Amino acid sequence: DGGITQSPKYLFRKEGQNVTLSCEQNLNHDAMYWYRQDPGQGLRLIYYSQIVNDFQKGDIAEGYSVSREKKESFPLTVTSAQKNPTAFYLCATSRIAGVGNEQFFGPGTRLTVL
Amino acid sequence: ELKVEQNPLFLSMQEGKNYTIYCNYSTTSDRLYWYRQDPGKSLESLFVLLSNGAVKQEGRLMASLDTKARLSTLHITAAVHDLSATYFCAVEETSGSRLTFGEGTQLTVNP
Repeated sequence: DGGITQSPKYLFRKEGQNVTLSCEQNLNHDAMYWYRQDPGQGLRLIYYSQIVNDFQKGDIAEGYSVSREKKESFPLTVTSAQKNPTAFYLCATSRIAGVGNEQFFGPGTRLTVL
Repeated sequence: ELKVEQNPLFLSMQEGKNYTIYCNYSTTSDRLYWYRQDPGKSLESLFVLLSNGAVKQEGRLMASLDTKARLSTLHITAAVHDLSATYFCAVEETSGSRLTFGEGTQLTVNP
């Protein structure tokens, strides 16, 4: 069964805690992306990675960190420095990074800060 | 900085009617994508438009791209309730890799 998996589906965090969101893909896609979506709004890019062991900041990287040690995996850590982390987080992949490559989205993780 | 604007942001229409959603963007690009999002769900790819004048159709939806006007349209023909969702356009920067999304158009089709 191919695709993009994100876990957990729902996540609750206390103030001051770091949490890590998982994103795994078996599509053999090179590029992976993390987006944040707030209610009633579009998607904003947090981080992206075009190849293993390399990643770039997006528009709202502050308070987040990522790693890309394997092609299949691109975990996102929401640190305590992120002041308002409650949101819907979406992971996406594309076949190769570059022009004209459609992005495909995982099912998302909904993070709530208690 | 690339900016993407959709209008309208909210659209309520009757079944059987036609309507168009507009997506304007601020800098040169000839690659644009349309996605659909159901409430509480992820994004589903609808159309990939990769050149000026591109037109794609799927069922009651048709998307087009005019890169000179920096405008894409998503036309809905004879709307049905199942089309109720939020529709996003996303524009790819000329350097590739990154997409910038519009705010989304929340479409409600009433019986």
